[in-house]
Amino acid sequence: DIQMTQSPSSLSASVGDRVTITCRASQSISIYLNWYQQKPGKAPELLIYAASSLQSGVPSRFSGSGSATDFTLTISSLQPEDFATYYCQQSFSTPHMYTFGQGTRLEIK
Amino acid sequence: QLQMQESGPGLVKPSETLSLTCSVSGGSISSSNYYWGWIRQPPGKGLEWIGNIYYRGNTYYNPSLRSRVTISVDTPKNQFSLRLSSVTAADTALYYCARHVGSGNYQAFDIWGQGTMVTVSS
Repeated sequence: DIQMTQSPSSLSASVGDRVTITCRASQSISIYLNWYQQKPGKAPELLIYAASSLQSGVPSRFSGSGSATDFTLTISSLQPEDFATYYCQQSFSTPHMYTFGQGTRLEIK
Repeated sequence: QLQMQESGPGLVKPSETLSLTCSVSGGSISSSNYYWGWIRQPPGKGLEWIGNIYYRGNTYYNPSLRSRVTISVDTPKNQFSLRLSSVTAADTALYYCARHVGSGNYQAFDIWGQGTMVTVSS
């Protein structure tokens, strides 16, 4: 099974900060990496697919990069509504075996 | 705008079978390039993929749950369902249904239901 490891597990930042979250796969997954945002009491929402493609309707301050085993999610200028938990997820395994990272909780400093 | 809604009992006894249904509205469950999945989240913990189904009935399960999971689809009703047998307290979680896009590099869960909490307790 492909394991996904996110770092850090939690992060404190201020409005306006640039924030980067890292996700590492236990083996190469090409660009089959997605990022989700989950706010308390809500379902996850897709932010980024295929490592760097912005999902429709997602603000451009969110960006993703990486390939093979190392990926990053960057928020260029934190807004109050961005404080949430972020999950990476690999979709490389065939047929259909998906795994999520453990999550990164982004908190207000 | 496609919407998804989970339904089913919120309380299940240990050793019994958990059964949930996901109703899809605003779009057809029989569309190509889409799979339909279940993901769960224990209280205070992360996300775990349970399994996916294609409208033709092809199923894919998490190996860690495969012996206890059955996902089925009812295309006339535009619904799909989850059954998880022999449940224990470890199966207590928020259960989400979600649409999985399977098109080229776009392989992701793009639309989610609101989730339904299932507690396993006697």
